[in-house]
Amino acid sequence: AQSVTQLDSQVPVFEEAPVELRCNYSSSVSVYLFWYVQYPNQGLQLLLKYLSGSTLVESINGFEAEFNKSQTSFHLRKPSVHISDTAEYFCAVSDRGGSEKLVFGKGTKLTVNP
Amino acid sequence: NAGVTQTPKFQVLKTGQSMTLQCAQDMNHEYMSWYRQDPGMGLRLIHYSVGAGITDQGEVPNGYNVSRSTTEDFPLRLLSAAPSQTSVYFCASSLGGYTGELFFGEGSRLTVL
Repeated sequence: AQSVTQLDSQVPVFEEAPVELRCNYSSSVSVYLFWYVQYPNQGLQLLLKYLSGSTLVESINGFEAEFNKSQTSFHLRKPSVHISDTAEYFCAVSDRGGSEKLVFGKGTKLTVNP
Repeated sequence: NAGVTQTPKFQVLKTGQSMTLQCAQDMNHEYMSWYRQDPGMGLRLIHYSVGAGITDQGEVPNGYNVSRSTTEDFPLRLLSAAPSQTSVYFCASSLGGYTGELFFGEGSRLTVL
């Protein structure tokens, strides 16, 4: 079975500051890793994913995450955040044998202040 | 494109009542699932289906029932609502092929009094 730990429940930052949202996972098998974003009163949307290949993956809106197998981490980073990045971010994991069954972390609420 | 459509968006029930949350997708996705979202708990998988006629339990299936008679629809039934089932429910679908990309509906907020 897999599990996901998001170390921070809330992260407040100022606009244009860098941010890192931390995610650690636990699994006895090889995994796929995901970050989903939830804007207020909406469903979740896929932000980025790691399936294989390069351990650094990027989203179209400037976020990146790096898969670190030795530290079992998949932290999400952005060098300069915008007000519009205010949302809740969920890290998720699945095993490579049945990846649609995602296990989610408890979420990190990112608030970007002017 | 409609994507994943959930109805109703809001519902208030009394303890012991039954109801069905509807979920439909128009993307011809084989995989569909139901999650519940509670504050500080993230999303927890209730039931899922890998295709028409096939369903299975997730992490928190008790008190819920599902069926999958068509590819498009995956209703979630609450047999006898309890206050502990007060939550926001999300339906999600995926093309499959182990891509892990779930497409979510906008959610159904259920309050059980």
